[in-house]
Parts: sequence; C-alpha cells; structure tokens
Amino acid sequence: EVQLLESGGGLVQPGGSLRLSCAVSGLTFSNYAMSWVRQAPGKGLEWVSVIGESGGRTYYADSVKGRFTISRDNSRNTLYLQMNSLRAEDTAVYYCGKDRRGNWKYVGTLDYWGQGALVTVSS
Amino acid sequence: EIVLTQSPATLSLSPGERVTLSCRASQSVSSYLAWYQQKPGQPPRLLIFDASNRATGIPARFSGSGSGTDFTLTISSLETEDFAVYYCQQCSNWPFTFGPGTKVDIK
Repeated sequence: EVQLLESGGGLVQPGGSLRLSCAVSGLTFSNYAMSWVRQAPGKGLEWVSVIGESGGRTYYADSVKGRFTISRDNSRNTLYLQMNSLRAEDTAVYYCGKDRRGNWKYVGTLDYWGQGALVTVSS
Repeated sequence: EIVLTQSPATLSLSPGERVTLSCRASQSVSSYLAWYQQKPGQPPRLLIFDASNRATGIPARFSGSGSGTDFTLTISSLETEDFAVYYCQQCSNWPFTFGPGTKVDIK
C-alpha cells in the first residue's frame, strides 16, 4: 500500500523558517517525481514545487521562488520542503504528492497524496 | 500562466442525477488535463488523467472528455459519496495550475 506522511508543520512567526518532510512507503520512491501542493484555509489548490526522480530538476511557483527549496533523499524515501522568509500568505495545508508516471517529460499528475501538514504563519 | 475556469461554481443536485462539469483553459493544454475530487478534511483524489482516462479504482460512472481548451467531467448517476468539490488541473506548462473548483452539493 502506498503511503505518504507529512510532518513538520506548525505555527511560525512571519520571517521565520520551517522544514516539511514527507515519508513515502509502498513504492520505489526513486522512480517518481514528487510535488508539494498547498491549500490556504477555505481556498483552492496551488502547486508549489516539483522535483524530478533524481532531484536534478525542480520547478517553483513564482510565489515561493527564492524562499522555498524542494529536495529529496532517495536513500530515506523522503521528500522535503525548506520554507524560509515565511509570510502570512503562506498559511496553508501543505500536501505532498507522487507523480503518476516515472517520466519527467510527463510530470504533473498526482495519483497519491498525503493527508497534509498545516503551516500557520502568524505573530 | 495558463488559467483554468470552471463552471458552474456550485451545483445543487439529487442522488441519481447526471452531472456535467466544465473546465476551460486560457490556451491549449492538449490532453494534459486531470480532474480531482476533494471532500472536507481530505486530500484531493485523482479521478481522471490525460483528459479521459480513469485513474485506478475510480468507478465507471466518472468520465472525462475534451482536448485543447474545453473539457468536461461527467458523473452519469450521482451517488451520495460524490458530493464534493471537483478541480481540474493542467500539466501542459509550468506552473501547473488548478481551476477554482466546482462544488457539488445535495439539493
């Protein structure tokens, strides 16, 4: 059974940092691109970042570029999101997701999602 | 950035009814479009990928169609567990984007 489990969410002050983790089991983690998608309270979905199977390719939304860093450790089957210079508008549930295909050319469809980690940025 | 528009914003329906949800892209996304279902407090669930292919375990009452800029998700006969928010999402160009969602609620 494929499982994705996020951790590391919490309350942080504006300007602060937080690192989210997503532990993945039940599949060959290194075969798939992975993503972070967020959802502000009561709002829609926003794709934050995606990373290729080996970690060599990444994309970021303009809203987080230069502040967030996506990475992965294939030996630990874990995806990360380092979030710096946090703002109130970053408050959201952050989901990690597994790409459906193991091919960067066709990246961008998530067939498994974690339950989400709530990040609240407030003083 | 490709903008996705969904209509209607809300639908109030009864179990057993047929549902047609629309998604329109601001430019062609070919067939690189997916549909997700989300219930309160849960993550999104992939229903349809590549515009018309059902994901693993998705019932046959869900179907998708379209290409280019106009897409449709159809639920042939609503079940009580289908009341949820439905999002379309394109993966033709980065940034990947979602539509604002259509809420299907009970009449």
